[in-house]
Amino acid sequence: EDQVTQSPEALRLQEGESSSLNCSYTVSGLRGLFWYRQDPGKGPEFLFTLYSAGEEKEKERLKATLTKKESFLHITAPKPEDSATYLCAVPYGGATNKLIFGTGTLLAVQP
Amino acid sequence: NAGVTQTPKFRVLKTGQSMTLLCAQDMNHEYMYWYRQDPGMGLRLIHYSVGEGTTAKGEVPDGYNVSRLKKQNFLLGLESAAPSQTSVYFCASSYIGGVQETQYFGPGTRLLVL
Repeated sequence: EDQVTQSPEALRLQEGESSSLNCSYTVSGLRGLFWYRQDPGKGPEFLFTLYSAGEEKEKERLKATLTKKESFLHITAPKPEDSATYLCAVPYGGATNKLIFGTGTLLAVQP
Repeated sequence: NAGVTQTPKFRVLKTGQSMTLLCAQDMNHEYMYWYRQDPGMGLRLIHYSVGEGTTAKGEVPDGYNVSRLKKQNFLLGLESAAPSQTSVYFCASSYIGGVQETQYFGPGTRLLVL
């Protein structure tokens, strides 16, 4: 069964304290892995797409990496404005346009 | 560009009432989607459309109907609302096909069914 699991469920960091969020998946024939950011009361905002093991992408303080079984979202020297829920998703059912989402990691960065 | 917009932002219904949620996108995207988001469940796909005049079932389609009469609009209907349909509904859209697809989301509609 296709599945996406994110950990931890919640993470509290001090400003400047780097950490990583995990997204593990079980799908047959990975066709990409998506990371989104969601602020309270808003829709998910696209961050990255990763397509193959070993791929890395960066955006400001965020870096996403992909292995054959999981992806990590590394947050370097986070700021309070990085506080949000981070979601990962993968296509399922042999399609590229149907996504299964994890339940997200709620990140709180304290000043 | 407004991107993906959703109407209404918030609605309260009584059990058995019907309503339609409207999604509009101005990015000329072929694909459109409706998701629901519930605490602890993540986003789940309700229905989707790969083009004007087409619709298909997603992961949790029961109790919902959809229509895509115009390329830019995707409507989600609840014929007889139930408390289990209390949720936040998100619409998304994406370019046609392929691994380069990225789904862009609207701001959501919060629905409470009493």
